[in-house]
Amino acid sequence: GENVEQHPSTLSVQEGDSAVIKCTYSDSASNYFPWYKQELGKGPQLIIDIRSNVGEKKDQRIAVTLNKTAKHFSLHITETQPEDSAVYFCAASKAGGTSYGKLTFGQGTILTVHP
Amino acid sequence: SAVISQKPSRDICQRGTSLTIQCQVDSQVTMMFWYRQQPGQSLTLIATANQGSEATYESGFVIDKFPISRPNLTFSTLTVSNMSPEDSSIYLCSVVFLRGPGTQYFGPGTRLLVL
Repeated sequence: GENVEQHPSTLSVQEGDSAVIKCTYSDSASNYFPWYKQELGKGPQLIIDIRSNVGEKKDQRIAVTLNKTAKHFSLHITETQPEDSAVYFCAASKAGGTSYGKLTFGQGTILTVHP
Repeated sequence: SAVISQKPSRDICQRGTSLTIQCQVDSQVTMMFWYRQQPGQSLTLIATANQGSEATYESGFVIDKFPISRPNLTFSTLTVSNMSPEDSSIYLCSVVFLRGPGTQYFGPGTRLLVL
């Protein structure tokens, strides 16, 4: 089955700096890669996603890049703010067949943004 | 935007008892899933809730322990049976909306503590 590795497990940055979280996946058939933000006491919130036919996607301060050959994808947050502090999860899944919609998650990254 | 709600939001239960968790969505979805998030850990898929038929369970999860129902396109229940302290976790439902790009959204979660 799919295996997703996420690094780093914790990340501490100063407000205004950039943060980068990296994930690798094992199944070359995976083609959908969402990123979720989970604040304390809440469910995961989708912040951005990318499909395998695209190499990069950006939404304001957040961007995701995908390297299909190397089987890794990364989350980039620029101009970080204290409210970006949370746990971030990457995930991977395959469209189609019996695996449709089944997300395999990385281990999570605790991001702390210091004012 | 659509709302996903879960009941109860949290509970404290005695070992050996069972708890049924409800997931309600205010618009039709194609797929519903149940995940478990153990304390300080990532999310693990328990099963896919299939409308009008038996759920599809992932390796390590069985129907006798986690019976699931999905009577229609907007509602599902997960029961945690014969609970032990090891079942203390956050249980999350997630959905893929009928009219959408296939993105998966999560409910707020049910926080369960088993004594």
